[in-house]
Amino acid sequence: EVQLLESGGGFVQPGGSLRLSCAASGFIFSNYAMTWVRQAPEKGLEWVSFISDNGAGTYYADSVKGRFTISRDNLKNTLYLQMNSLGAGDTAVYYCAKTSSGSGSDTWFDSWGQGTLVTVSS
Amino acid sequence: SYELTQPPSVSVSPGQTASITCSGDKLGHKYAYWYQQKPGQSPVLVIHRDSRRPSGIPERFSGSNSGNTATLTISGTQALDEADYYCQAWDSNIVVFGGGTKLTVL
Repeated sequence: EVQLLESGGGFVQPGGSLRLSCAASGFIFSNYAMTWVRQAPEKGLEWVSFISDNGAGTYYADSVKGRFTISRDNLKNTLYLQMNSLGAGDTAVYYCAKTSSGSGSDTWFDSWGQGTLVTVSS
Repeated sequence: SYELTQPPSVSVSPGQTASITCSGDKLGHKYAYWYQQKPGQSPVLVIHRDSRRPSGIPERFSGSNSGNTATLTISGTQALDEADYYCQAWDSNIVVFGGGTKLTVL
């Protein structure tokens, strides 16, 4: 059974940084691209970032480009999201999700974690 | 930037058919994906590549995609289908979600 467990969320002041982690199990992590999706309170889903199976390919939403960095450690079966220069607009539940293949577009998100809440506030 | 537009809400009576649309420029030239999210839960994939159901998703869920519109259809809607539904597509290595549709079964 695929399991994705996010951690690292919490309260952070505007301008601060936070690193999220997503521990994966139940599948061969190094074979699949991964993604981060966030959801602000009472709002819809917003895609954040994508990383290919070997980490060579990364994509970002315009809203986070230059501030967030996605990475992965295939030996530790863990996905990361380094978030810098955080603002109130980044307040959301952050989900990691497994994709259906190793790279490229036209993959789908077939398993999701339970999410971790990031609150940016002074 | 590419946009996907969904109706904010759709209502359906139990046992009837619910249709949720997702509109985007030439969406039919891309694959459409659909996710279901119930309150307090993580999203669940219900349709991929326009019309394919993942294992474990009931047959009453179906999808189509043509022209500028993708449609998620739920036949014989049940109370447990009440949820938010999001369409999703790719556009030049960017993932786009629709704004979501709240399906009410009443």
